[in-house]
Amino acid sequence: AQTVTQSQPEMSVQEAETVTLSCTYDTSESNYYLFWYKQPPSRQMILVIRQEAYKQQNATENRFSVNFQKAAKSFSLKISDSQLGDTAMYFCAFMKWGTGANSKLTFGKGITLSVRP
Amino acid sequence: GAVVSQHPSWVICKSGTSVKIECRSLDFQATTMFWYRQFPKQSLMLMATSNEGSKATYEQGVEKDKFLINHASLTLSTLTVTSAHPEDSSFYICSAPALGGRAGGEQFFGPGTRLTVL
Repeated sequence: AQTVTQSQPEMSVQEAETVTLSCTYDTSESNYYLFWYKQPPSRQMILVIRQEAYKQQNATENRFSVNFQKAAKSFSLKISDSQLGDTAMYFCAFMKWGTGANSKLTFGKGITLSVRP
Repeated sequence: GAVVSQHPSWVICKSGTSVKIECRSLDFQATTMFWYRQFPKQSLMLMATSNEGSKATYEQGVEKDKFLINHASLTLSTLTVTSAHPEDSSFYICSAPALGGRAGGEQFFGPGTRLTVL
């Protein structure tokens, strides 16, 4: 079974600054995917970024980037130039290789990020 | 991107009644859908995997007779909370991977349903 650990329950950052959210995971799978999802106050889950484990290059999406350390089983999210709209709960998630019913996600506990004006 | 809808968005019911929540994939087909439960400030907990044309697969600790899942078509899965009690009050979310999508493809989440049992 897979586990995803987010040990920081809350973080706060000043607008325009950079913040890093931590995530570690444990798995015996060799092929898998890692995700960061954002859940704003509306509670709609939004995909922030996705990383394939077989890729060494860290994924980036505009202001969002990850530091993927496969050997250490670490997957942190860096948010640059933080904006007020980034205020949300962020979940790190794991998906093992597969389709259909095998594509279920395992979520971490989440971290509440507040961006201060 | 693909859209998943849920209906209703918010429902209030009396204790002992049953409530049905619908999850629809609007512009793609989904042979599989997932149902999650989320309490305030907590993570999403997978309840069950809904499979089109076959029985749902429930996670350990989830009561099958209480949370009935039906996946009758490639675009619709329903979750029925039977004999609801106040402790069933929660936020229920469904998700679906796009049919034919490659492994690890994005899952699409519904907007969630808030259930309040009085």
